Amino acid sequence: GENVEQHPSTLSVQEGDSAVIKCTYSDSASNYFPWYKQELGKRPQLIIDIRSNVGEKKDQRIAVTLNKTAKHFSLHITETQPEDSAVYFCAAETGGSYIPTFGRGTSLIVHP
Amino acid sequence: GAGVSQTPSNKVTEKGKYVELRCDPISGHTALYWYRQSLGQGPEFLIYFQGTGAADDSGLPNDRFFAVRPEGSVSTLKIQRTERGDSAVYLCASSPMALAGANEQFFGPGTRLTVL
Repeated sequence: GENVEQHPSTLSVQEGDSAVIKCTYSDSASNYFPWYKQELGKRPQLIIDIRSNVGEKKDQRIAVTLNKTAKHFSLHITETQPEDSAVYFCAAETGGSYIPTFGRGTSLIVHP
Repeated sequence: GAGVSQTPSNKVTEKGKYVELRCDPISGHTALYWYRQSLGQGPEFLIYFQGTGAADDSGLPNDRFFAVRPEGSVSTLKIQRTERGDSAVYLCASSPMALAGANEQFFGPGTRLTVL
């Protein structure tokens, strides 16, 4: 089955800095890569996703890049703000599956 | 509109007891998922329903765990003879339609289960 590794487990930045979270996956058939944000005590919510037919996708301060050859994808947050503080999960889903495999999560802390 | 809801929000039980956790998906969503989330971990897949049938239950850890979705909407996760290791947050998610390789998950708030 699919295996998703996520790094780092904790990331601490100053407000205004950029943050990068990286994930690798094992199944070359994976073709859908969502990122979820989970604030303390709340439910995970999708913030951005990318499909394997594109290499990069942006939405305001958030971007995701995908390298299919190396089987890794990354979340980039620019101009971080304290409200970006949360746990971020990456996931990968194969073309023949209906079930995402999640990474272990990255706790992002943005210091004012 | 209303999101995914789960009841109860918290459940404390004693080892060996039976518990039921309920999930109300977003109306019209045909796909429903159950996950278990332990502290510091990502959601761990348990079971997936497409309509009324369990399309994939490969994530259920053992036969003490069972889930149903009799009318294709509300789902109940049932845990028999609970063990302390079952303590976790149980998340439910629904998705509008089952597309292989493209399913945004709409999560509920979770049920925090504590087995004493």
